[in-house]
Amino acid sequence: DADVTQTPRNRITKTGKRIMLECSQTKGHDRMYWYRQDPGLGLRLIYYSFDVKDINKGEISDGYSVSRQAQAKFSLSLESAIPNQTALYFCATSDPGTGAAGELFFGEGSRLTVL
Amino acid sequence: GQQVMQIPQYQHVQEGEDFTTYCNSSTTLSNIQWYKQRPGGHPVFLIQLVKSGEVKKQKRLTFQFGEAKKNSSLHITATQTTDVGTYFCAPNSGGSNYKLTFGKGTLLTVNP
Repeated sequence: DADVTQTPRNRITKTGKRIMLECSQTKGHDRMYWYRQDPGLGLRLIYYSFDVKDINKGEISDGYSVSRQAQAKFSLSLESAIPNQTALYFCATSDPGTGAAGELFFGEGSRLTVL
Repeated sequence: GQQVMQIPQYQHVQEGEDFTTYCNSSTTLSNIQWYKQRPGGHPVFLIQLVKSGEVKKQKRLTFQFGEAKKNSSLHITATQTTDVGTYFCAPNSGGSNYKLTFGKGTLLTVNP
């Protein structure tokens, strides 16, 4: 089983719908992240959480919200999806104890299409 | 704020040729990480560089961190088809709370 699991892996939805992407991890890491990947734009940070009570905005948080339900779970929500939120979304975890910044461990990704 | 440029954006090589991607930051870095993403896959950590002028090798891959800690490079010697993918740098300016941002990546394709 994967250490970082994302659900759903693929989702097609319509403009205006609420969407939740879920991430769970078995690595025991405190730090969790949501990134968005678009062709030619690399990986852009949406939100990050350094522990259950700590939530921080990243580079592109507008239109998104997150919930850290437990150490192992970090969910990303799109309250009202729009077509330019069509992208590949990655959840990642890290443990600062493994290094200065800690390597990131990524999930397999959730591909979202908003029509 | 920190700005990072990764070049080139694309590189196509013949199998056996060398490949280099560069990551340049506008600010001095605390450390830098490199990741590889295979087509259809997720990014996977390759290495972290911390010290000024540091050079690390992993088989055919050589990673360098500049003396001023503002730039880094990844060099692949004698590319193979298994090297295909996008290589990302993830520079870190430090601070009490680390959050990694990524360069836009270099897509490497290898012609067998």
